[in-house]
Amino acid sequence: EDQVTQSPEALRLQEGESSSLNCSYTVSGLRGLFWYRQDPGKGPEFLFTLYSAGEEKEKERLKATLTKKESFLHITAPKPEDSATYLCAVHGNYGQNFVFGPGTRLSVLP
Amino acid sequence: GAVVSQHPSRVICKSGTSVKIECRSLDFQATTMFWYRQFPKQSLMLMATSNEGSKATYEQGVEKDKFLINHASLTLSTLTVTSAHPEDSSFYICSATRDFDEQFFGPGTRLTVL
Repeated sequence: EDQVTQSPEALRLQEGESSSLNCSYTVSGLRGLFWYRQDPGKGPEFLFTLYSAGEEKEKERLKATLTKKESFLHITAPKPEDSATYLCAVHGNYGQNFVFGPGTRLSVLP
Repeated sequence: GAVVSQHPSRVICKSGTSVKIECRSLDFQATTMFWYRQFPKQSLMLMATSNEGSKATYEQGVEKDKFLINHASLTLSTLTVTSAHPEDSSFYICSATRDFDEQFFGPGTRLTVL
């Protein structure tokens, strides 16, 4: 059974304090790993798709990396507007469902 | 591109009534649409997966007679909560995928049953 865990559950950073969020997964053949950002009361916003180990993608202060067992979302010099819940999801080759992790609630303090 | 809308964004209804929520992919044809439910400070809980023109596939524990899903076209799926009760109050989110890679989410519908 495909599974996704995320750590930490919650993270508080000072503005400018870089850190990383972890997404660990087990899947029977990875078709894709996805990162989303969700603000309270809104639907998730797509950030990145990673397909194979070693792949990296960047967008502004965010950088996502992928290994065979986990993915990291690195946040460089975060700003208060980066505060949100970050969700990780995997889609395996066998089955049509996506499996979401529980998310990491990030708070960036000014 | 890849915009998904939901309507209504917020609905309040009396216990026993039915509520319909629409999910539309505005600028692409969605091969598959998903319906999720989310409780406060919790992650997304997949309720069902629907493909255009076929019956939805419900997750274990989700009552298909309670949550009716119709996927009428490649751009529209509807979720009807029948005979709603207070315990059905939640945040319902749909998503759509065009080539089974990324899912694109709607803004969500906040349902409150009095």
